[in-house]
Amino acid sequence: GAGVSQSPRYKVAKRGQDVALRCDPISGHVSLFWYQQALGQGPEFLTYFQNEAQLDKSGLPSDRFFAERPEGSVSTLKIQRTQQEDSAVYLCASSPLRPDPLTEAFFGQGTRLTVV
Amino acid sequence: GNSVTQMEGPVTLSEEAFLTINCTYTATGYPSLFWYVQYPGEGLQLLLKATKADDKGSNKGFEATYRKETTSFHLEKGSVQVSDSAVYFCALSNQFYFGTGTSLTVIP
Repeated sequence: GAGVSQSPRYKVAKRGQDVALRCDPISGHVSLFWYQQALGQGPEFLTYFQNEAQLDKSGLPSDRFFAERPEGSVSTLKIQRTQQEDSAVYLCASSPLRPDPLTEAFFGQGTRLTVV
Repeated sequence: GNSVTQMEGPVTLSEEAFLTINCTYTATGYPSLFWYVQYPGEGLQLLLKATKADDKGSNKGFEATYRKETTSFHLEKGSVQVSDSAVYFCALSNQFYFGTGTSLTVIP
């Protein structure tokens, strides 16, 4: 399809387990963002890539969270030793433009992570 | 710092009623302002945007005007439809801030 694709759509993890969430942005998009959205809240910024460079990771809540985009296209958000407070929907967005990276951002449907 | 304060919901309106969802912001510099919408079961979609003071963004009958003097970007629609039922998010380009979202339900 032509949109941002995220997988899996749903993930249940046992506390302490590592998880990896995948984002396929729209082909050719320069900018890629990850957000965490808790129930009833707005998206909270986690990190931002411009091509393969991670330009901002100020929103990552702890060193258990790690994101990469090695070839400037697909991105993976990894959470190590998951905790219950990590339960949320993780959103990925991509944008073709710079330097105003939120212009025309296109969002995926998200991955709902539940830590039990 | 940068932040977005959005009117809390949920909001329930009858069809054809007038809608206002308030959004105010604090930011350094001159950010772009956005409204995103999330329909049930779908991802966030850009609804409208404004990139400088006094700009009016509009789409699908919705409008919002970038008011620098009041640091606001309120969303309005003159006559809502059942199909407008969704969650609406105000957003700021600096540091990618989003409001907490306002859930709108329109009843026939």
